[in-house]
Amino acid sequence: KNEVEQSPQNLTAQEGEFITINCSYSVGISALHWLQQHPGGGIVSLFMLSSGKKKHGRLIATINIQEKHSSLHITASHPRDSAVYICAAPDSGSARQLTFGSGTQLTVLP
Amino acid sequence: NAGVTQTPKFRVLKTGQSMTLLCAQDMNHEYMYWYRQDPGMGLRLIHYSVGEGTTAKGEVPDGYNVSRLKKQNFLLGLESAAPSQTSVYFCASREDRSPDTQYFGPGTRLLVL
Repeated sequence: KNEVEQSPQNLTAQEGEFITINCSYSVGISALHWLQQHPGGGIVSLFMLSSGKKKHGRLIATINIQEKHSSLHITASHPRDSAVYICAAPDSGSARQLTFGSGTQLTVLP
Repeated sequence: NAGVTQTPKFRVLKTGQSMTLLCAQDMNHEYMYWYRQDPGMGLRLIHYSVGEGTTAKGEVPDGYNVSRLKKQNFLLGLESAAPSQTSVYFCASREDRSPDTQYFGPGTRLLVL
C-alpha cells in the first residue's frame, strides 16, 4: 500500500501570491492524481500526471518519478482558489485503488 | 448526465439503527468505490466493486456491507450503526481503462448519536 504525505496541512496566503503544495509517496507509481475539494464538500479531479508537468489555467502540477515527489502550484492566487487540495497515488492492486493524502487546506485572503 | 449522485445528503441515526446509502452513476463505469472522510485523515476506502455483481473489501470495511446488483448502483449498508461511523461518505466511479480519473458524488454526511 502506498503511503502518501502532503505538506503543509494548512496554508494561508494573500491574494496574488504564488502557492506551492507538496506531495510525496512511498511506492513507485505510474501516475499521480491531484484533486480539489470545494468548501461545499464536492471533490473534483484536477490532474493526473505520470511525468514532467501539466498546466491548467493558473494551476501547474509537476512530478519527479525518481524522487517520488509531486508539487501543485497556483500562480496569482485568488480567494476562489480557497479549498482543500488532495494528492492521491494508486496502489498496485488490480482495481487500482487510490491512497489519498490528508489534504492541504488553502485559504486565500483578499 | 447527472454523473454520480448519492442519497441521502444528510442523516442522523441512533446507535444500533441500520441504514443504506445509495450511489448511482449514469456513465456506464465498471469500477465503483465507497470512501469515508474524517477530520485530519485522507479519504479511506471502505469497499469497492470492479463490475456488476462483484464487491471487495477496502482498507476499513468493518461494520459495513455493500451490494452491486445493477451496474449503475452501489449500495453501502450499516447494519448496526455506531458513533465511530459518524463521517462523511463519498462514492466514486471510473472507467475500466486509463486514465484512472475517479468521479465523485457530492457526499453523505452521517451523524450517529
